[in-house]
Amino acid sequence: DTEVTQTPKHLVMGMTNKKSLKCEQHMGHRAMYWYKQKAKKPPELMFVYSYEKLSINESVPSRFSPECPNSSLLNLHLHALQPEDSALYLCASSQDKGWREQFFGPGTRLTVL
Amino acid sequence: GENVEQHPSTLSVQEGDSAVIKCTYSDSASNYFPWYKQELGKRPQLIIDIRSNVGEKKDQRIAVTLNKTAKHFSLHITETQPEDSAVYFCAASRGNTDKLIFGTGTRLQVFP
Repeated sequence: DTEVTQTPKHLVMGMTNKKSLKCEQHMGHRAMYWYKQKAKKPPELMFVYSYEKLSINESVPSRFSPECPNSSLLNLHLHALQPEDSALYLCASSQDKGWREQFFGPGTRLTVL
Repeated sequence: GENVEQHPSTLSVQEGDSAVIKCTYSDSASNYFPWYKQELGKRPQLIIDIRSNVGEKKDQRIAVTLNKTAKHFSLHITETQPEDSAVYFCAASRGNTDKLIFGTGTRLQVFP
């Protein structure tokens, strides 16, 4: 399996809802990433997990909470989001840190009402 | 911190022509430079990458050149085809970190 999968594909939520995004890879990669991408903009790094430990948090608001239950799974828990958080959320993985191709998932299109 | 500038923001070419996209980076410690292609509604996909120990790399119709002194790198696509139409992002990182800094993107349109 050489793919990163993400669920759900689309998500609509209200500002008081709690939801989670899920990401999975079975390539044995030890680094996993969350990116946020707004329309016509590049992906913007949010979090990096390396060997299941959070290694980078790009000053993301606490309403976004990442979790790495094991080396194949990455979650992003969402709570009390704002309409400006609407975006495409991309998960990626790489074999290890540095000098390694990052494989992206198809993304979750999130709309916050 | 690292900053990556990318030009042009849009590029239109006739099928069969060549296309060149240029990026400059600010952090002289950057040593890994990938290029991603993102079709509309799809995920970014790596098309080619280069490390700082080489000046050029080629894969069929795609090539990347790196000038470490000037801190810029370029993507060259020859014999363009309509299926090359997409947004292309350059990126840079230090090899010992997980952090990719992306350029602002170039929308390439190839007209038949």
